[in-house]
Amino acid sequence: RKEVEQDPGPFNVPEGATVAFNCTYSNSASQSFFWYRQDCRKEPKLLMSVYSSGNEDGRFTAQLNRASQYISLLIRDSKLSDSATYLCVVNGDNFNKFYFGSGTKLNVKP
Amino acid sequence: DAGVTQSPTHLIKTRGQQVTLRCSPKSGHDTVSWYQQALGQGPQFIFQYYEEEERQRGNFPDRFSGHQFPNYSSELNVNALLLGDSALYLCASSSTPNYGYTFGSGTRLTVV
Repeated sequence: RKEVEQDPGPFNVPEGATVAFNCTYSNSASQSFFWYRQDCRKEPKLLMSVYSSGNEDGRFTAQLNRASQYISLLIRDSKLSDSATYLCVVNGDNFNKFYFGSGTKLNVKP
Repeated sequence: DAGVTQSPTHLIKTRGQQVTLRCSPKSGHDTVSWYQQALGQGPQFIFQYYEEEERQRGNFPDRFSGHQFPNYSSELNVNALLLGDSALYLCASSSTPNYGYTFGSGTRLTVV
C-alpha cells in the first residue's frame, strides 16, 4: 500500500464552484501534513499546512481526520488560476522524510 | 531574498554516464532534501542532508549519493545513469523540517 494516495482526477469544475479533494495516508503515526500546488512543469509550492483543528486561508480550507487517516482540501469560489495539480504531503516515521501523493489535477473552466 | 536555486536547469546525458546536480538553499535554511519526480507522478524522496550528513534516505540505490557543504548548499550525484533516471530532480530546503519545504525549480534530466 502506498504511503499517500490521491484521486488523480481530473476534476473539471466551472468558475465559482466549490471543489474538495481527499488524500489518505497509511502511517497512523504521521504528524505533519501539507497541501502543495504544482503548475505544469513547475516546482511544487506550499499551499498550506494542515492542523489537527483544521485551518482556513481565504478560499482554501484544510482538514485532518486522524481516525480515518485522511486530509482534505476545500476550495471555494474556484478561479481559473486555481487550475493546477494539488499534492498531498505526509511525514513518515520521523520528521525527516515526507511522502507525496501523485497529485489531483484540477481544471477550472470559464 | 533568494529562494532555492538549482543548477543546471536542463541536462542531457548518455546511459552509463555520471551527473552532478547542485542546490543552494533558501537563506536561513539548513536542511536540504532531494526528490525525483517522474512525469505524471508525485515527487519521490531521495535523501535529506543536515549538518553535512545524510540524515534520512528513501528507497533509491547507492548510485544516488549526495553531499552537503558548510554553507548548506548540496549536490546530488547519480552514477551509471539509466534511462529510468530521466526525471525532474527537485531540491527542497527548510529550517524546520516539519514546517514545510521550499522547492527549487528543479533540474530536468534526460538520459538517452
